[in-house]
Amino acid sequence: EAGVAQSPRYKIIEKRQSVAFWCNPISGHATLYWYQQILGQGPKLLIQFQNNGVVDDSQLPKDRFSAERLKGVDSTLKIQPAKLEDSAVYLCASSLGVPRGRLLLRQFFGPGTRLTVL
Amino acid sequence: GQQVMQIPQYQHVQEGEDFTTYCNSSTTLSNIQWYKQRPGGHPVFLIQLVKSGEVKKQKRLTFQFGEAKKNSSLHITATQTTDVGTYFCAGPGTGGFKTIFGAGTRLFVKA
Repeated sequence: EAGVAQSPRYKIIEKRQSVAFWCNPISGHATLYWYQQILGQGPKLLIQFQNNGVVDDSQLPKDRFSAERLKGVDSTLKIQPAKLEDSAVYLCASSLGVPRGRLLLRQFFGPGTRLTVL
Repeated sequence: GQQVMQIPQYQHVQEGEDFTTYCNSSTTLSNIQWYKQRPGGHPVFLIQLVKSGEVKKQKRLTFQFGEAKKNSSLHITATQTTDVGTYFCAGPGTGGFKTIFGAGTRLFVKA
């Protein structure tokens, strides 16, 4: 079965520019996540979708970051305008089921998009 | 906010030596997951622990969940060069569905 697809794999932009990342989860997966992983750190959840609804975006810097998951399938994450500290790998992941209580779901990660902001 | 702490941050071992990484939380975890991320790669799910005191094995890897469900460990017996990477634990955030990852333990194996 195909894994989680992400594009682009690499992106270099200057600060104050805009950038968008795309993610196509595994077919049939209801839950989709976007993470930011800064070098040397663990992934930090930015936003989590259940189908096309947001279940958590508490750590998303909403003044510059936005995300959508139209039709409950693929998703885009946008940064506008970018700052130097946004340099990181942006990981998309998906899970088959939907959250039940506090039981974590097995997550399948895509290869990530490495963003460099100059 | 809630944190999941991992120690050590780095571990260098000789091939064949054992390795252990620890994950600690200040609050009780209903469940915990472990992921492995190879250099330049993405996290890959290893295991999920749910029950107090649970022990699970995958070949040379042994995972434990503490009796109080506030800590967990991953032990690798007789490391191999293929074990190189960063091992993350992940737990549920408070008041929501989000996943909180630890900072990870990076394992280096010298042949």
